[in-house]
Amino acid sequence: KAGVTQTPRYLIKTRGQQVTLSCSPISGHRSVSWYQQTPGQGLQFLFEYFSETQRNKGNFPGRFSGRQFSNSRSEMNVSTLELGDSALYLCASSSGLFFGPGTRLTVL
Amino acid sequence: GQQVMQIPQYQHVQEGEDFTTYCNSSTTLSNIQWYKQRPGGHPVFLIQLVKSGEVKKQKRLTFQFGEAKKNSSLHITATQTTDVGTYFCAANTGTASKLTFGTGTRLQVTL
Repeated sequence: KAGVTQTPRYLIKTRGQQVTLSCSPISGHRSVSWYQQTPGQGLQFLFEYFSETQRNKGNFPGRFSGRQFSNSRSEMNVSTLELGDSALYLCASSSGLFFGPGTRLTVL
Repeated sequence: GQQVMQIPQYQHVQEGEDFTTYCNSSTTLSNIQWYKQRPGGHPVFLIQLVKSGEVKKQKRLTFQFGEAKKNSSLHITATQTTDVGTYFCAANTGTASKLTFGTGTRLQVTL
């Protein structure tokens, strides 16, 4: 079985722009969770989707949003990027048991 | 919100020495999970502990869950350079889907 895939792997944006990240869970897995990892704050939960519905949400501003499609693929969107949004964004399949390689976002 | 503290933040050992990282919570945990993240990599699930006082072993790694289910430890016997990385504990908070991660312990092993 293929693992969790995330695209793109690296991204450079400027302040004020928006970005969309994609995650495909392991085939057959319906749950996708998103985490932000920074040196200062560590790993923080963003949100989780299950069967196209947001099941749980972390403490992030409304600029961070997500969705899940019928094939379980998920996207997260960050609007009006700030410098502090620079981070490794990880998605996980099956409530955290399997993490993808992450998308490294740099905001200039 | 729930916090999971982990100590130490960093440990540097010589190959062959033992290593232990500790995870503590102010509230009772339903379970605890451990992950390893290699430099430049992503967290990889190691194990989940559920029962009070549970001890599990994976080769040189020993995982313990405290009797009160508020703390946990990971012990590595005779470290090797392949053990280098950051070890995180994580607990399910609220619903089963949300993980709260500890701050992590970065392990450096030198020959």
